[in-house]
Amino acid sequence: GQNIDQPTEMTATEGAIVQINCTYQTSGFNGLFWYQQHAGEAPTFLSYNVLDGLEEKGRFSSFLSRSKGYSYLLLKELQMKDSASYLCAVRDDKIIFGKGTRLHILP
Amino acid sequence: GAVVSQHPSRVICKSGTSVKIECRSLDFQATTMFWYRQFPKQSLMLMATSNEGSKATYEQGVEKDKFLINHASLTLSTLTVTSAHPEDSSFYICSARADTYYGYTFGSGTRLTVV
Repeated sequence: GQNIDQPTEMTATEGAIVQINCTYQTSGFNGLFWYQQHAGEAPTFLSYNVLDGLEEKGRFSSFLSRSKGYSYLLLKELQMKDSASYLCAVRDDKIIFGKGTRLHILP
Repeated sequence: GAVVSQHPSRVICKSGTSVKIECRSLDFQATTMFWYRQFPKQSLMLMATSNEGSKATYEQGVEKDKFLINHASLTLSTLTVTSAHPEDSSFYICSARADTYYGYTFGSGTRLTVV
C-alpha cells in the first residue's frame, strides 16, 4: 500500500529554522515533491527530488534518501508569510499526497 | 509555460443539481490529468485519473456515476458533480502531466459549496 507520513503541526519562531520530515512507503517511486499551501488556495510547487541528496533553493532546501524512504524540507530565516501547510507528495505514475504539516510561525 | 487554468474558482449550487468544473492546459497538451478533492484541514485526495480519449480511472471509494469525468481533447478535462449534496462541498483541484522537469502542474482549484 501507499503510506506517506509527516507531522500534523509544527510551531517555529520568526527568523528561525524549521525542518519538516516526511517518510514514505510506496509501491513505486519516481520522485518526491514538496508543496506549500495557504488556506483556501491551491498548492504551490516548492521542490522536486528524484536523486538522493540536498537541493537548495533560496531559503528552502529539500533532502531525499531513497534507501531510507525519507525526505525533509528545511526552511530558513522564517517569515510570517511562511505560515502555511506543507505537503509531501510521492510520484509514481500519479502523485500521492501526505496529510500535510501545518506550520505556525510565532513573532 | 505549463499553465493549467481551472474554472470556476468558486461555485455555490443547490442540493440535487449538477456542477461542471473545467480544467484546461493553456500552453501544452495534457494526455493525462488528475482530479483531487480536499476537505477542510485535510490533504489532497486523488479522485481519478483522466486520460484523453478513454475512460477515467477512479480511485477506490470514488463513485464514478456521481463524479463524471470527460477528457475529450488534449487540453480539456471536465469533472461534473452530479446530484450534488452538502457533503460534496469541498475544494476540487486538477493537475496535468506537463513537460516540465518535475512533470506536473496544478490548477488554481474550485471551491464548491452545496446548499
